[in-house]
Amino acid sequence: NAGVTQTPKFRVLKTGQSMTLLCAQDMNHEYMYWYRQDPGMGLRLIHYSVGEGTTAKGEVPDGYNVSRLKKQNFLLGLESAAPSQTSVYFCASSWGTGWNSPLHFGNGTRLTVT
Amino acid sequence: AQRVTQPEKLLSVFKGAPVELKCNYSYSGSPELFWYVQYSRQRLQLLLRHISRESIKGFTADLNKGETSFHLKKPFAQEEDSAMYYCALNDNAGNMLTFGGGTRLMVKP
Repeated sequence: NAGVTQTPKFRVLKTGQSMTLLCAQDMNHEYMYWYRQDPGMGLRLIHYSVGEGTTAKGEVPDGYNVSRLKKQNFLLGLESAAPSQTSVYFCASSWGTGWNSPLHFGNGTRLTVT
Repeated sequence: AQRVTQPEKLLSVFKGAPVELKCNYSYSGSPELFWYVQYSRQRLQLLLRHISRESIKGFTADLNKGETSFHLKKPFAQEEDSAMYYCALNDNAGNMLTFGGGTRLMVKP
């Protein structure tokens, strides 16, 4: 039981390049999330999904797109990377919402955009 | 909109000293509050939640609705407590967990 797995672990992009971050969970969770972590700003929600085939915007969705074609996978795409998107990206999943549904996090992806 | 504030970015204490990591929130409804922790080279994980009124690894946190606070406390800090701590709020009306900016706790020997 691997939990939440993110790939890649590190990536360097040039401005304007595109890439996709993959998140996979093997816990049969309905909810999946993408956060970005920046110093002093904590974790900010980019997009989330409440089930297969659904996505919704979080706090900072601009410049990102997501897809949840399969329940176990949640993809985060950057169509045209910008230096402001340099960050550590965390994927998380949960079976529900509320106090009894803690988030399970992946190990993170460190992205640098030059 | 809800907000979570952790006023200290860095908190440094000596081993055996008491520690308190501050968390204040703004939310008009009845919040659900959590503390998450990230140890070095480990993934972010749940430490404790207010509704359980639990003590995990010696840490406790009490929800004070009057002061809108959820401070994390431990009477005697250990070196292995050194980590990044995040306070988080679930508004219970949506699906978003709002995190504070985090506090790095360093426990010196």
